[in-house]
Amino acid sequence: SYVLSQPPSVSVAPGQTARITCGGDNIGSNSVHWYQQKPGQAPVLVVYADSDRPSGIPERFSGSNSGNTATLTISRVEAGDEADYYCQVWDTSDDHYVFGTGTKVSVL
Amino acid sequence: EIQLVESGGGLAQPGRSLRLSCAASGFTFDDYAMHWVRQPPGKGLEWVSGISWNSGSIDYADFVKGRFTISRDNAKKSLYLQMNSLRPEDMAFYYCAKFSAAGLGSGYFDLWGRGTLVTVSS
Repeated sequence: SYVLSQPPSVSVAPGQTARITCGGDNIGSNSVHWYQQKPGQAPVLVVYADSDRPSGIPERFSGSNSGNTATLTISRVEAGDEADYYCQVWDTSDDHYVFGTGTKVSVL
Repeated sequence: EIQLVESGGGLAQPGRSLRLSCAASGFTFDDYAMHWVRQPPGKGLEWVSGISWNSGSIDYADFVKGRFTISRDNAKKSLYLQMNSLRPEDMAFYYCAKFSAAGLGSGYFDLWGRGTLVTVSS
């Protein structure tokens, strides 16, 4: 089955930029979606189709996808961005949905 | 208000059954596929099962195939998950999630419920 690898943690100072990677075999040929999950809360979609933002999600959240790596970028990081972030794709080899291992973003 | 509300979680002994429900409101329920996603406490997200808008397409993760059954009632705007032969490793928060399309396939989960906790223990 398809595996999506994410770094366990990323630390960033307020106002700086956080980059969260999602690695997978030729992931650039997939459409990648990103979710934010704060402690004790349900996940929230923050980026879909590699780089689109749902309504209500700040422009500070952006995404890219090429080759074997997709990236979620959070610009001008705020304390409220502290959360777990998961990438997700549709695995066409077995018609199943796959989530990444998750990355905890800590704001210093 | 657009929302999903899960219910039916609780404590079950290994080998027993539970039925989860998810009530939808604020959107046209039968326009979208629906899914269940679970999260063991302190761990990551796992897709469990999905059902298309008209129940014509259904799929399961390998680890629940043959034990869990997904269904929906569009008239009641409700999604269900019948969980049989529960195992300790099924213990998790179970989330109901609205899909971005009517059918299964490529897409994303654009609305999630708050989840219901299933505990499997003797």
